[in-house]
Amino acid sequence: AQSVTQLDSQVPVFEEAPVELRCNYSSSVSVYLFWYVQYPNQGLQLLLKYLSGSTLVKGINGFEAEFNKSQTSFHLRKPSVHISDTAEYFCAVSDRMGSNYKLTFGKGTLLTVNP
Amino acid sequence: NAGVTQTPKFRVLKTGQSMTLLCAQDMNHEYMYWYRQDPGMGLRLIHYSVGEGTTAKGEVPDGYNVSRLKKQNFLLGLESAAPSQTSVYFCASSYDSHSYEQYFGPGTRLTVT
Repeated sequence: AQSVTQLDSQVPVFEEAPVELRCNYSSSVSVYLFWYVQYPNQGLQLLLKYLSGSTLVKGINGFEAEFNKSQTSFHLRKPSVHISDTAEYFCAVSDRMGSNYKLTFGKGTLLTVNP
Repeated sequence: NAGVTQTPKFRVLKTGQSMTLLCAQDMNHEYMYWYRQDPGMGLRLIHYSVGEGTTAKGEVPDGYNVSRLKKQNFLLGLESAAPSQTSVYFCASSYDSHSYEQYFGPGTRLTVT
């Protein structure tokens, strides 16, 4: 079974600063990787996903992530954050479950953007 | 499209009481899921369904039951609530289980006293 490690539980940054949220997964032959965002008191919504092809994936709200197979990482980045980016971010990997697949989530990283 | 809706939004139960959480989706998705979210634990899969009339256990199924009588609805039941079931419950649906994104509902905050 896959596991996902988000290396930082909390990341405080100032507005307009760059940010990187780190995610590592356990190795597998092929993986599908996802980043979800959860704004306060809301459900999760997809930021971006890596299925195949280019290792640099662009998502919504100016976020991007880089898939690194050798380091089994899928770090999320944004060059300049806004107050509205304050949220919890979850990295997830598609993991086989019998004949189906499930998402295995990391424990989340709380991004707090301060003015 | 309403997407994925959940009822109720909040609920307080006493230990031993029962309740059912309702999830509905209008995207004609085959796959539906129930998760619980606890602080510092991320999301953990309780049960899932790959189509109408089918259900299967996830990572943490004990104490919960589910039913999928209609394609658009996925019910989560607690027969005898325990304080350990205090959590935020999310329902999700997807077109496929592997590469397609899951769409999440707004959540139900359940407190068991």
